[in-house]
Amino acid sequence: QKEVEQNSGPLSVPEGAIASLNCTYSDRVSQSFFWYRQYSGKSPELIMSIYSNGDKEDGRFTAQLNKASQYVSLLIRDSQPSDSATYLCAVNANSGYALNFGKGTSLLVTP
Amino acid sequence: EPEVTQTPSHQVTQMGQEVILRCVPISNHLYFYWYRQILGQKVEFLVSFYNNEISEKSEIFDDQFSVERPDGSNFTLKIRSTKLEDSAMYFCASSEGAYPPRGEQFFGPGTRLTVL
Repeated sequence: QKEVEQNSGPLSVPEGAIASLNCTYSDRVSQSFFWYRQYSGKSPELIMSIYSNGDKEDGRFTAQLNKASQYVSLLIRDSQPSDSATYLCAVNANSGYALNFGKGTSLLVTP
Repeated sequence: EPEVTQTPSHQVTQMGQEVILRCVPISNHLYFYWYRQILGQKVEFLVSFYNNEISEKSEIFDDQFSVERPDGSNFTLKIRSTKLEDSAMYFCASSEGAYPPRGEQFFGPGTRLTVL
């Protein structure tokens, strides 16, 4: 069974702080990694994609990938109350098109 | 900005009835997907579709499910005989390609299906 694991949270950070969200995956052939944001009752919204080991930055967001450790993370700098949502880690293997999602980490940014 | 659209936003049906959920993928995208999310659970893959064929499906996508691209813009999911456990949010997604860097999947707003 291919698993994507995330801490369910809630992760609470004060406004302006860095939020760090983590994800591990079990399928070693996984090639593509994505972070989605999901507000309550809404659909997943793509934030970042990452395909190679290392860091990828986009505005306040940085994704980090370590394939040897089967670990991907998302850092949110200068967190805002509007960042309060559930963050979903999604992985797909080279063999298919399906995204395998984690259960998500709930982030709460307090003013 | 182009986006995936879905109709209806909410569908209520009786157990055993057929339902069709509709999606309009982003216009230049070639790969289409259906996912579902039961309340409080994770997003689960159902099926992917390319070049008028199913390219991959999950164990959830059994004989009661079917997909179709009836014209150049719509992509539909049919559930033949709904069960109580089919109650979920159904998301359509599309991507330009299948693999990096064109494999990013963009989701529609979803259809909430309630089976009574």
